[in-house]
Amino acid sequence: QKEVEQDPGPLSVPEGAIVSLNCTYSNSAFQYFMWYRQYSRKGPELLMYTYSSGNKEDGRFTAQVDKSSKYISLFIRDSQPSDSATYLCAMSASSNYKLTFGKGTLLTVNP
Amino acid sequence: EAGVTQSPTHLIKTRGQQATLRCSPISGHTSVYWYQQALGLGLQFLLWYDEGEERNRGNFPPRFSGRQFPNYSSELNVNALELEDSALYLCASSLGGGGSQPQHFGDGTRLSIL
Repeated sequence: QKEVEQDPGPLSVPEGAIVSLNCTYSNSAFQYFMWYRQYSRKGPELLMYTYSSGNKEDGRFTAQVDKSSKYISLFIRDSQPSDSATYLCAMSASSNYKLTFGKGTLLTVNP
Repeated sequence: EAGVTQSPTHLIKTRGQQATLRCSPISGHTSVYWYQQALGLGLQFLLWYDEGEERNRGNFPPRFSGRQFPNYSSELNVNALELEDSALYLCASSLGGGGSQPQHFGDGTRLSIL
């Protein structure tokens, strides 16, 4: 079983839709959870950073972490064509500091 | 504030050669991380440097090595290049080693092995 599982998509939605992206993980040592956005030919850009369980909101983005289910989500409200990118979930434990990534979900928002 | 900068943008080598990739972290960041993003494999952790020392290493052979300089910049060296080393190599930096500090990435060096 992979440490982090993420549906690769592709996911195609109309402009204005609510997008839900998810990852599951198996390592209970993970405590820090991140979502990155990666445009083509660019490096990953940090979108959301959360510690332990709970919700965090930043503008149109909401991150949720459920450690009991080992499940994290990213919601994008009022999606825009500029949101079209690959979304990567990432996690780390406090003991080793490396990030473990999902394989990414390719999102296209159609005008 | 300048972000993480990497050079060169693209590097073309042949099998058996050696490659050197460079990274300058965000000002004030002391930790540098290297990741490999190969097609179909996702981002894989390579190396972590903090305060000039190698702190952690991913599951890669010893021909992948690096160092961190006193100004916190870093270089990644790959010896005896193989075709499977073709990938995007990403550098990230953070304020200090630890899961409590988010990592910020550069745009990478694309290494192509012919």
